[in-house]
Amino acid sequence: KNQVEQSPQSLIILEGKNCTLQCNYTVSPFSNLRWYKQDTGRGPVSLTIMTFSENTKSNGRYTATLDADTKQSSLHITASQLSDSASYICVVTEGGNNDMRFGAGTRLTVKP
Amino acid sequence: DGGITQSPKYLFRKEGQNVTLSCEQNLNHDAMYWYRQDPGQGLRLIYYSQIVNDFQKGDIAEGYSVSREKKESFPLTVTSAQKNPTAFYLCASRAGINTGELFFGEGSRLTVL
Repeated sequence: KNQVEQSPQSLIILEGKNCTLQCNYTVSPFSNLRWYKQDTGRGPVSLTIMTFSENTKSNGRYTATLDADTKQSSLHITASQLSDSASYICVVTEGGNNDMRFGAGTRLTVKP
Repeated sequence: DGGITQSPKYLFRKEGQNVTLSCEQNLNHDAMYWYRQDPGQGLRLIYYSQIVNDFQKGDIAEGYSVSREKKESFPLTVTSAQKNPTAFYLCASRAGINTGELFFGEGSRLTVL
Protein backbone atom coordinates (compact mmCIF):
# COMPACT_ATOMS: atom_id res chain seq x y z
CA LYS A 1 0.00 0.00 0.00
CA ASN A 2 1.30 3.41 -0.94
CA GLN A 3 2.33 5.42 2.07
CA VAL A 4 1.09 8.63 0.43
CA GLU A 5 -2.50 8.75 -0.82
CA GLN A 6 -3.90 11.69 -2.77
CA SER A 7 -7.48 12.56 -3.54
CA PRO A 8 -9.28 13.13 -5.71
CA GLN A 9 -7.51 11.35 -8.54
CA SER A 10 -8.78 13.98 -10.94
CA LEU A 11 -10.75 17.19 -10.72
CA ILE A 12 -12.38 19.56 -13.19
CA ILE A 13 -13.29 23.10 -12.16
CA LEU A 14 -14.26 26.33 -13.87
CA GLU A 15 -11.83 29.20 -14.16
CA GLY A 16 -12.04 31.52 -11.17
CA LYS A 17 -13.27 28.85 -8.77
CA ASN A 18 -11.38 27.56 -5.73
CA CYS A 19 -10.43 23.95 -5.07
CA THR A 20 -8.74 21.83 -2.42
CA LEU A 21 -6.55 18.80 -2.98
CA GLN A 22 -5.88 16.26 -0.25
CA CYS A 23 -2.85 14.24 0.78
CA ASN A 24 -2.94 11.62 3.52
CA TYR A 25 0.22 9.81 4.55
CA THR A 26 1.39 7.04 6.84
CA VAL A 27 5.12 7.78 6.51
CA SER A 28 6.78 7.70 9.90
CA PRO A 29 8.87 9.26 11.26
CA PHE A 30 8.00 12.43 9.39
CA SER A 31 10.53 14.97 8.16
CA ASN A 32 8.73 17.22 5.70
CA LEU A 33 6.04 17.35 3.04
CA ARG A 34 6.29 19.08 -0.31
CA TRP A 35 3.69 19.86 -2.94
CA TYR A 36 4.89 19.83 -6.54
CA LYS A 37 3.13 21.04 -9.68
CA GLN A 38 3.74 19.04 -12.85
CA ASP A 39 2.59 20.38 -16.19
CA THR A 40 1.83 17.76 -18.82
CA GLY A 41 5.02 16.33 -20.29
CA ARG A 42 7.25 18.41 -18.00
CA GLY A 43 9.16 17.84 -14.79
CA PRO A 44 7.60 18.64 -11.38
CA VAL A 45 8.29 22.01 -9.77
CA SER A 46 8.13 22.61 -6.02
CA LEU A 47 5.31 24.81 -4.72
CA THR A 48 5.70 24.59 -0.95
CA ILE A 49 7.45 22.69 1.81
CA MET A 50 5.87 21.95 5.17
CA THR A 51 7.82 20.87 8.24
CA PHE A 52 6.44 19.35 11.40
CA SER A 53 5.92 22.64 13.18
CA GLU A 54 4.19 24.44 10.31
CA ASN A 55 0.41 24.43 9.96
CA THR A 56 -0.01 26.60 6.90
CA LYS A 57 2.11 28.16 4.18
CA SER A 58 1.16 30.24 1.18
CA ASN A 59 2.75 30.74 -2.21
CA GLY A 60 0.66 33.21 -4.14
CA ARG A 61 -2.73 31.64 -4.82
CA TYR A 62 -1.55 28.31 -3.40
CA THR A 63 -1.99 27.60 0.32
CA ALA A 64 -0.81 24.38 1.89
CA THR A 65 -1.88 23.11 5.29
CA LEU A 66 -0.47 20.36 7.44
CA ASP A 67 -1.95 18.45 10.37
CA ALA A 68 0.89 16.28 11.62
CA ASP A 69 -1.34 14.64 14.21
CA THR A 70 -3.78 13.25 11.67
CA LYS A 71 -1.08 13.00 8.97
CA GLN A 72 -3.04 15.03 6.48
CA SER A 73 -2.13 17.89 4.19
CA SER A 74 -4.16 19.94 1.77
CA LEU A 75 -3.37 22.27 -1.08
CA HIS A 76 -5.91 25.03 -1.64
CA ILE A 77 -5.93 26.91 -4.93
CA THR A 78 -7.72 30.23 -4.95
CA ALA A 79 -9.24 31.92 -8.00
CA SER A 80 -8.07 29.22 -10.38
CA GLN A 81 -6.54 30.06 -13.74
CA LEU A 82 -6.23 28.03 -16.90
CA SER A 83 -2.51 27.71 -16.21
CA ASP A 84 -3.27 25.85 -13.00
CA SER A 85 -4.21 22.83 -15.12
CA ALA A 86 -1.58 20.28 -14.12
CA SER A 87 -0.92 17.34 -11.86
CA TYR A 88 -0.20 18.12 -8.22
CA ILE A 89 2.05 15.69 -6.42
CA CYS A 90 2.47 15.30 -2.67
CA VAL A 91 5.91 14.09 -1.52
CA VAL A 92 6.61 13.07 2.06
CA THR A 93 10.18 12.70 3.31
CA GLU A 94 10.79 10.11 5.97
CA GLY A 95 12.81 11.17 8.98
CA GLY A 96 16.12 9.42 9.58
CA ASN A 97 16.79 7.81 6.19
CA ASN A 98 15.34 10.77 4.22
CA ASP A 99 13.57 8.48 1.77
CA MET A 100 11.03 10.37 -0.30
CA ARG A 101 7.59 8.86 -0.86
CA PHE A 102 5.50 10.13 -3.76
CA GLY A 103 1.75 10.27 -4.08
CA ALA A 104 0.18 9.36 -7.42
CA GLY A 105 -0.95 12.94 -7.90
CA THR A 106 -4.21 14.77 -8.55
CA ARG A 107 -4.88 15.78 -12.13
CA LEU A 108 -6.53 19.23 -12.13
CA THR A 109 -8.23 20.63 -15.21
CA VAL A 110 -9.38 24.24 -15.20
CA LYS A 111 -11.92 25.04 -17.90
CA PRO A 112 -12.89 28.48 -19.21
CA ASP B 1 20.65 29.46 -16.21
CA GLY B 2 21.16 26.67 -13.67
CA GLY B 3 19.15 23.55 -14.08
CA ILE B 4 18.86 19.96 -15.19
CA THR B 5 18.87 18.96 -18.83
CA GLN B 6 17.50 15.65 -20.00
CA SER B 7 17.79 14.30 -23.51
CA PRO B 8 16.29 13.12 -25.68
CA LYS B 9 12.77 14.36 -24.94
CA TYR B 10 11.23 11.50 -26.93
CA LEU B 11 12.81 8.17 -27.79
CA PHE B 12 11.55 5.13 -29.61
CA ARG B 13 13.18 1.77 -29.19
CA LYS B 14 12.73 -1.64 -30.72
CA GLU B 15 12.48 -4.59 -28.41
CA GLY B 16 15.87 -6.02 -27.55
CA GLN B 17 17.73 -2.73 -27.84
CA ASN B 18 19.50 -0.86 -25.08
CA VAL B 19 19.00 2.89 -24.90
CA THR B 20 20.72 5.56 -22.82
CA LEU B 21 18.99 8.63 -21.42
CA SER B 22 21.16 11.63 -20.65
CA CYS B 23 20.93 13.80 -17.53
CA GLU B 24 23.20 16.79 -16.96
CA GLN B 25 23.02 19.35 -14.15
CA ASN B 26 24.91 22.59 -13.53
CA LEU B 27 23.57 23.19 -10.03
CA ASN B 28 26.68 21.77 -8.36
CA HIS B 29 24.46 19.21 -6.61
CA ASP B 30 25.99 16.09 -5.10
CA ALA B 31 22.88 13.88 -5.18
CA MET B 32 21.18 12.77 -8.39
CA TYR B 33 18.19 10.52 -8.97
CA TRP B 34 16.33 8.66 -11.70
CA TYR B 35 12.59 8.08 -11.41
CA ARG B 36 10.07 6.32 -13.55
CA GLN B 37 6.56 7.72 -13.88
CA ASP B 38 3.61 5.64 -15.03
CA PRO B 39 -0.02 6.78 -15.28
CA GLY B 40 -1.88 6.57 -11.98
CA GLN B 41 1.24 5.80 -9.96
CA GLY B 42 3.62 7.84 -7.87
CA LEU B 43 7.20 8.32 -9.02
CA ARG B 44 9.29 5.23 -8.43
CA LEU B 45 13.00 5.41 -7.71
CA ILE B 46 15.27 3.54 -10.13
CA TYR B 47 18.76 4.56 -9.02
CA TYR B 48 20.36 7.34 -7.05
CA SER B 49 23.86 8.66 -6.52
CA GLN B 50 25.16 10.59 -3.55
CA ILE B 51 28.57 11.35 -4.96
CA VAL B 52 30.78 10.78 -7.97
CA ASN B 53 31.66 7.14 -8.66
CA ASP B 54 28.99 5.90 -6.27
CA PHE B 55 25.37 4.90 -6.91
CA GLN B 56 22.71 2.80 -5.23
CA LYS B 57 19.75 0.78 -6.46
CA GLY B 58 16.31 2.16 -5.83
CA ASP B 59 13.00 0.31 -5.65
CA ILE B 60 12.86 -0.78 -9.30
CA ALA B 61 16.48 -1.08 -10.50
CA GLU B 62 16.11 -4.36 -12.41
CA GLY B 63 16.74 -3.88 -16.13
CA TYR B 64 18.43 -0.50 -15.67
CA SER B 65 22.02 0.63 -15.20
CA VAL B 66 23.68 3.96 -14.41
CA SER B 67 27.09 5.56 -14.07
CA ARG B 68 28.37 8.64 -12.26
CA GLU B 69 31.78 9.46 -13.67
CA LYS B 70 31.29 13.20 -13.35
CA LYS B 71 29.42 15.26 -10.78
CA GLU B 72 27.35 16.89 -13.51
CA SER B 73 26.27 13.75 -15.33
CA PHE B 74 24.12 10.74 -14.41
CA PRO B 75 23.09 8.77 -17.51
CA LEU B 76 20.53 5.97 -17.33
CA THR B 77 20.66 2.93 -19.61
CA VAL B 78 17.45 1.02 -20.15
CA THR B 79 18.55 -2.47 -21.08
CA SER B 80 16.76 -5.17 -23.02
CA ALA B 81 16.25 -6.94 -19.69
CA GLN B 82 13.67 -4.32 -18.66
CA LYS B 83 10.40 -6.05 -19.53
CA ASN B 84 8.14 -3.02 -19.61
CA PRO B 85 10.29 0.00 -20.43
CA THR B 86 7.67 2.26 -21.98
CA ALA B 87 7.36 5.14 -19.48
CA PHE B 88 8.21 8.74 -18.67
CA TYR B 89 11.64 9.02 -17.04
CA LEU B 90 12.57 11.88 -14.76
CA CYS B 91 16.02 12.85 -13.57
CA ALA B 92 16.38 14.97 -10.43
CA SER B 93 19.08 16.41 -8.22
CA ARG B 94 19.47 18.10 -4.89
CA ALA B 95 22.30 19.60 -2.90
CA GLY B 96 22.83 16.53 -0.73
CA ILE B 97 21.26 13.16 -0.07
CA ASN B 98 19.64 14.53 3.08
CA THR B 99 19.05 18.14 2.21
CA GLY B 100 17.15 20.47 0.02
CA GLU B 101 14.55 20.61 -2.65
CA LEU B 102 14.50 18.13 -5.51
CA PHE B 103 14.98 19.83 -8.86
CA PHE B 104 13.66 17.88 -11.83
CA GLY B 105 14.56 17.78 -15.47
CA GLU B 106 11.91 18.00 -18.18
CA GLY B 107 11.71 14.25 -18.58
CA SER B 108 12.28 11.72 -21.35
CA ARG B 109 9.45 9.68 -22.80
CA LEU B 110 10.56 6.24 -23.96
CA THR B 111 8.32 4.15 -26.16
CA VAL B 112 9.11 0.58 -27.11
CA LEU B 113 7.76 -0.42 -30.50
